[in-house]
Amino acid sequence: AQTVTQSQPEMSVQEAETVTLSCTYDTSESDYYLFWYKQPPSRQMILVIRQEAYKQQNATENRFSVNFQKAAKSFSLKISDSQLGDAAMYFCAYRSSRGDSWGKLQFGAGTQVVVTP
Amino acid sequence: GAGVSQSPSNKVTEKGKDVELRCDPISGHTALYWYRQSLGQGLEFLIYFQGNSAPDKSGLPSDRFSAERTGGSVSTLTIQRTQQEDSAVYLCASSFGATGGEQYFGPGTRLTVT
Repeated sequence: AQTVTQSQPEMSVQEAETVTLSCTYDTSESDYYLFWYKQPPSRQMILVIRQEAYKQQNATENRFSVNFQKAAKSFSLKISDSQLGDAAMYFCAYRSSRGDSWGKLQFGAGTQVVVTP
Repeated sequence: GAGVSQSPSNKVTEKGKDVELRCDPISGHTALYWYRQSLGQGLEFLIYFQGNSAPDKSGLPSDRFSAERTGGSVSTLTIQRTQQEDSAVYLCASSFGATGGEQYFGPGTRLTVT
């Protein structure tokens, strides 16, 4: 079974600065998907960025980028030029490409991001 | 367009009562998922439906939990004889396409069992 580990319960960052969230996972599969989701106090989970394991290029979405290290099974999220609206719980998630498991997202415990003015 | 909607937003029930939680997926999405978010267990997969295939129920924690999806659209998650440990936020998501695609989440239902 796959496991997703987020070792940072909380990270604090000042506005306009950069913060990096860590995520590691354990899998024996070679093809899979990785995601970062944001959950603000409204509870609505919002997809921030996704990465396909077969792609070597790191995904980027505006101020959000990932550092995907497949051999190390590491998938960190960098938030650049942090804004107050970035304050939320961030979850790392894994999804298998296997036909019998593709629907299931497996989540880490989450990292609370606090943005200070 | 409209996103995933869930009702009720909050539900308080007494231990031992049955509850039904509803999810309206995004129109045209063929896959629907239920997750549970609790303080002790984090985010857990419960069940997913894909088109007319048999649902994957592997995440349901006990036989008190069941779900159905009528007409390939609306889904209802039913919890019978609720227990205090069932207190959690229940999240629904939907996606388009045979390979799943991005899952879009609803705002969740917060269930409190007293």
